[in-house]
Amino acid sequence: DSGVTQTPKHLITATGQRVTLRCSPRSGDLSVYWYQQSLDQGLQFLIQYYNGEERAKGNILERFSAQQFPDLHSELNLSSLELGDSALYFCASSGDRALSGNTIYFGEGSWLTVV
Amino acid sequence: TQLLEQSPQFLSIQEGENLTVYCNSSSVFSSLQWYRQEPGEGPVLLVTVVTGGEVKKLKRLTFQFGDARKDSSLHITAAQPGDTGLYLCAGSSGSARQLTFGSGTQLTVLP
Repeated sequence: DSGVTQTPKHLITATGQRVTLRCSPRSGDLSVYWYQQSLDQGLQFLIQYYNGEERAKGNILERFSAQQFPDLHSELNLSSLELGDSALYFCASSGDRALSGNTIYFGEGSWLTVV
Repeated sequence: TQLLEQSPQFLSIQEGENLTVYCNSSSVFSSLQWYRQEPGEGPVLLVTVVTGGEVKKLKRLTFQFGDARKDSSLHITAAQPGDTGLYLCAGSSGSARQLTFGSGTQLTVLP
């Protein structure tokens, strides 16, 4: 158990719909990362938040957005869903580099299927 | 865009055999990590290498970071069925901790 909690674990929705994926980082971790894993693209970095502020952006589509709340949990919002958005979405968290080095802890992922 | 290429993509071996997985890039990384991912779970960190030429051992697993910090290898000695999983290398640059992942090597160790 990494300590990173993601909900829901599985989600099936129709094209054009909007979903929200939720992540609770490890206790005390200020950084939250979102990754997308698909068969054809592998694991792709989407976005990082640090203590409520966006820190870095990767290959995140404009239809997707994220935020990190004052209690440090994060949400990834996926809208106007397309079949190609079907993937496993991971949240990860990390703490202070001086204390935890480069270790990033991944949750178990949210399986999204768009039909 | 930094890319990490892993080879082989798939590897199926018998218990007791040795194997090596390679991770190559044209870019320099400040550190490189190896993860193992099992079905239904997120990637779990195995090791981080930061110094060119560095070698780290974790029981039967040996990790090496290339001198130029562009490539890495993972060698498993006497593989066991419990080693089965998706092995991913991931690089990070500078102070950023967002990772660039390789395409992965799916290892199956048959009893």
